[in-house]
Amino acid sequence: GAGVSQSPRYKVAKRGQDVALRCDPISGHVSLFWYQQALGQGPEFLTYFQNEAQLDKSGLPSDRFFAERPEGSVSTLKIQRTQQEDSAVYLCASSLGNQETQYFGPGTRLLVL
Amino acid sequence: AQSVTQPDIHITVSEGASLELRCNYSYGATPYLFWYVQSPGQGLQLLLKYFSGDTLVQGIKGFEAEFKRSQSSFNLRKPSVHWSDAAEYFCAVGPDSSYKLIFGSGTRLLVRP
Repeated sequence: GAGVSQSPRYKVAKRGQDVALRCDPISGHVSLFWYQQALGQGPEFLTYFQNEAQLDKSGLPSDRFFAERPEGSVSTLKIQRTQQEDSAVYLCASSLGNQETQYFGPGTRLLVL
Repeated sequence: AQSVTQPDIHITVSEGASLELRCNYSYGATPYLFWYVQSPGQGLQLLLKYFSGDTLVQGIKGFEAEFKRSQSSFNLRKPSVHWSDAAEYFCAVGPDSSYKLIFGSGTRLLVRP
């Protein structure tokens, strides 16, 4: 079956530009997670949804970062007024429930110039 | 605070040789433990996980890991490495449920022909 998909796979933005990153989870997966992976580092947790409810956003680095999952399936991570330090790979993962295995998408590589 | 340490940034082994990747965690109770593999341009794939019970865990692709509470370790092993195992390996801990994974910084495995 289809795994987690993310789009775009690559995004180049000018500093100050807004970007939107999309995640399509595995069908039927209740939980959805966003992680940020800086170059040479492991992924770091950003936020977590259970259905459409954002239950944990403690990892979002600033108020420029915003995530939503309005219908409990597709999720969008939005970054406003991008900065160079936002350059990273943004990974999305989904799972059947919050104690189930997380399945990761291929990520979106964001480069802010 | 919970943390995961992967002390080896790079490891090079010859094809057919055995492999051990180290992982140490810091956490007050027994955590949920995971090993993921990431190939270039790919998302993270779960190799194996430990929640409770038998401390020797078998995973996919011939990998296994052993949870040692006394050493706060969860090292990954494979008896005979294949060239296709070359990738980045991440150890992760889920503190009290398996969401909000905390990852180590990864170990890049290179395989000599």
